[in-house]
Formats: sequence, structure tokens, C-alpha cells
Amino acid sequence: SAVISQKPSRDICQRGTSLTIQCQVDSQVTMMFWYRQQPGQSLTLIATANQGSEATYESGFVIDKFPISRPNLTFSTLTVSNMSPEDSSIYLCSVLWGRSTEAFFGQGTRLTVV
Amino acid sequence: AQKVTQAQTEISVVEKEDVTLDCVYETRDTTYYLFWYKQPPSGELVFLIRRNSFDEQNEISGRYSWNFQKSTSSFNFTITASQVVDSAVYFCALSETTSGTYKYIFGTGTRLKVLA
Repeated sequence: SAVISQKPSRDICQRGTSLTIQCQVDSQVTMMFWYRQQPGQSLTLIATANQGSEATYESGFVIDKFPISRPNLTFSTLTVSNMSPEDSSIYLCSVLWGRSTEAFFGQGTRLTVV
Repeated sequence: AQKVTQAQTEISVVEKEDVTLDCVYETRDTTYYLFWYKQPPSGELVFLIRRNSFDEQNEISGRYSWNFQKSTSSFNFTITASQVVDSAVYFCALSETTSGTYKYIFGTGTRLKVLA
């Protein structure tokens, strides 16, 4: 498997501000996803990041709150906008390669909103 | 609808005991994949195993083994002779392929504590 780098690994942010999380892969991937894991909870898919087009969002998540970019096959960003304490979570980038079905995950970004 | 249920929220065992983590899934697809991931305290998700819906063979990898039974829609995970380093949250996940999206549905996870 390739290396998936997520930055920042953690951050503490003020409410009302925005944070952009980066996901960089060292090889081209077929699919990229963004998940949220609220404290003590399971992972919930936010959206599928589509290269060169708008992301596909899951029910309950909207582009204004979680804008996503994917300019190429190795990089994506997730922005958490106008943050509130309820946005405190771990945000994880996930990728699939080629015809593989097992997803690999970045190390996550632990976000605390105060 | 897709659903993954991990009924055990937390399990504590003493080192060297065997432990089984349960996973029950629901899907209407005939083609799907099941996975187990480990999330240690550091937070990253570590891939453990993938099983496709057409392969019901059980698998063993060292101290880990998996029992996939379509008849009961279960994909259970057993750790033999548990060790303290096995302490983590374990997630079972389901991915359906017919939609072409390869989205994962995760269970709520089982926190395993192995006591020395």
C-alpha cells in the first residue's frame, strides 16, 4: 500500500473559524473519501471526493459546511467551515487503488473546536 | 438497507485469553465485501482483512481468525491468546459494489481491553 499523509494531525480551533485538512497520497488512487468520527462513535462517510468535479455528499452533509476539492489523483482537501464545538471529531481521508476494494486510511486529523 | 451491527460495545479479557468479536450485517446485494479494521489509541485505522461475499472460507492469520457465515449474515473475528497490544477499537465494515461507489458502512465498533 502507498503512503497516505494527512495534515494537520490535530488542531484546536476557535468557533466560527474554518480549517482545511489535506490528504496527500504518494501514488495515484481511484477513489478518495472523507469520513468523520465523532468522539466515541463509529465512522460516518461525509463525501466522495471526485477528481475535477464537485464531491458527492452523503445525507446530512452539505458543500457549504464541508467543501471538498480534489484537483488531481493524489490530493484532496476537506474544509470544515464556520466551526462549532459539535464539529469536534476525527476526520479521516480514505483511498482505494485501481480495482482494489480494501480502503486504506490516513492517520486522521483530530479537531477540537473551543 | 445496509447495516452493520457490532453488539459488543466493550470487552475486557485477561492476557492470553481468546476473544471473539461479533459482527452481523444486512444487505440486499448479492455481491459485497466485508472488512475488519483495528483502531489503536493513536487513531489510525489499520486494515486487517477483506472477505468477499462469494468466499465463505474461514481465514487464519497468526493469532487472528475470521468466521464468515452467509446463512447468519455474520463475520466474526477471533483473537487467540490475546496480548496487551491487541487493545484497540475494532470496526467491522460492509461495502456494496453494485452501485459502483464502494462506500463503506461501519459498525459502531467494539473496544477491546486486554489486561496484563
